[in-house]
Amino acid sequence: GAVVSQHPSWVICKSGTSVKIECRSLDFQATTMFWYRQFPKQSLMLMATSNEGSKATYEQGVEKDKFLINHASLTLSTLTVTSAHPEDSSFYICSAVSLAGGYEQFFGPGTRLTVL
Amino acid sequence: DAKTTQPTSMDCAEGRAANLPCNHSTISGNEYVYWYRQIHSQGPQYIIHGLKNNETNEMASLIITEDRKSSTLILPHATLRDTAVYYCIVRVGYSTLTFGKGTMLLVSP
Repeated sequence: GAVVSQHPSWVICKSGTSVKIECRSLDFQATTMFWYRQFPKQSLMLMATSNEGSKATYEQGVEKDKFLINHASLTLSTLTVTSAHPEDSSFYICSAVSLAGGYEQFFGPGTRLTVL
Repeated sequence: DAKTTQPTSMDCAEGRAANLPCNHSTISGNEYVYWYRQIHSQGPQYIIHGLKNNETNEMASLIITEDRKSSTLILPHATLRDTAVYYCIVRVGYSTLTFGKGTMLLVSP
């Protein structure tokens, strides 16, 4: 099946620093990738949709200048949390759509971000 | 996309069948029913999906009522590793998946 990886799996950073999370589709090309955020005991909330080679589309309430998304190739999307604060601590999950797989969404394992 | 309603939690004994219900009374004719699950601190995992007919794969069976207003996911022989949050999602075509609160299934020895 289609595999999506994320790196790092967990990260701890100081308040005010920036953190980059990578999402890769390992065995398929993904024209569209999605970024979700999940706070403890809550469901996944869609943050943004990114299409290869174009600007990401952000959901209402998500600050595009704080959560920078780059989808530079068909296998890689990155999410950069800029000037991170403790309230940004969360579980970030990416997913990718495989054209060959009939546009099904495949999810990465998630990245646990803790901001001190 | 139509809204879904699921019980907050369910318990199941190991080895028994787990039947997880989902109501989607406002589903449209072109909307599919998808099931995903999320084991603690992992990304969601696809289980199964269907439109009208019942579906079965190596993981589970999906039973959709004739009026399509509800469905049931069946794990035939639940194991401890099936403990997870199960999400029932109604989706038009290949629109973005929107997650509700799901059902927390606890499988006990």
